[in-house]
Amino acid sequence: DQQVKQNSPSLSVQEGRISILNCDYTNSMFDYFLWYKKYPAEGPTFLISISSIKDKNEDGRFTVFLNKSAKHLSLHIVPSQPGDSAVYFCAASAGGNTGKLIFGQGTTLQVKP
Amino acid sequence: DVKVTQSSRYLVKRTGEKVFLECVQDMDHENMFWYRQDPGLGLRLIYFSYDVKMKEKGDIPEGYSVSREKKERFSLILESASTNQTSMYLCGASGNTGELFFGEGSRLTVL
Repeated sequence: DQQVKQNSPSLSVQEGRISILNCDYTNSMFDYFLWYKKYPAEGPTFLISISSIKDKNEDGRFTVFLNKSAKHLSLHIVPSQPGDSAVYFCAASAGGNTGKLIFGQGTTLQVKP
Repeated sequence: DVKVTQSSRYLVKRTGEKVFLECVQDMDHENMFWYRQDPGLGLRLIYFSYDVKMKEKGDIPEGYSVSREKKERFSLILESASTNQTSMYLCGASGNTGELFFGEGSRLTVL
């Protein structure tokens, strides 16, 4: 049973436009959500996170929105740059800051110049 | 930032061989994890450890074991490698922030 789902395997956007990556979850016990970015042949790197007590967190070009009633979160990248092209993973955890994360399947973002 | 180092970036092994994947972190974090990444499946948790000599099964522990003799080191062991264990293996470490730091990954091919 996939508790964290990223239903779009890929996304292509033009440089300068907004990229929106989506993630759905089923476990209402999740209280902390993270986004990771991964380039080929490298480990994932942390991008941004949000606690379940918030509905928005912003860090530069990256904003994460959380809709708890819909069990949905999204990552907005504005403006998108070619260097943002990577696989993006949504992750969630329950019960505190253990670091034990459940990941989605990933979305491959391609930003075209 | 936490630095997580995985000893081998690329390995090729034969079916039935015993495989050791080593991981070391340099920030004195209590929690360490082993995931595997496969296309279309994302990252799946194999084993994790919250303390020295302590281990817990993740979602897909079958065919794997782990060892944590020292706080900074967490090893993944494939007792008898099989072709379906061909994958990218990722080691992670975390402290009390909940943020998980990953190594660069070990690409294992089992022939």
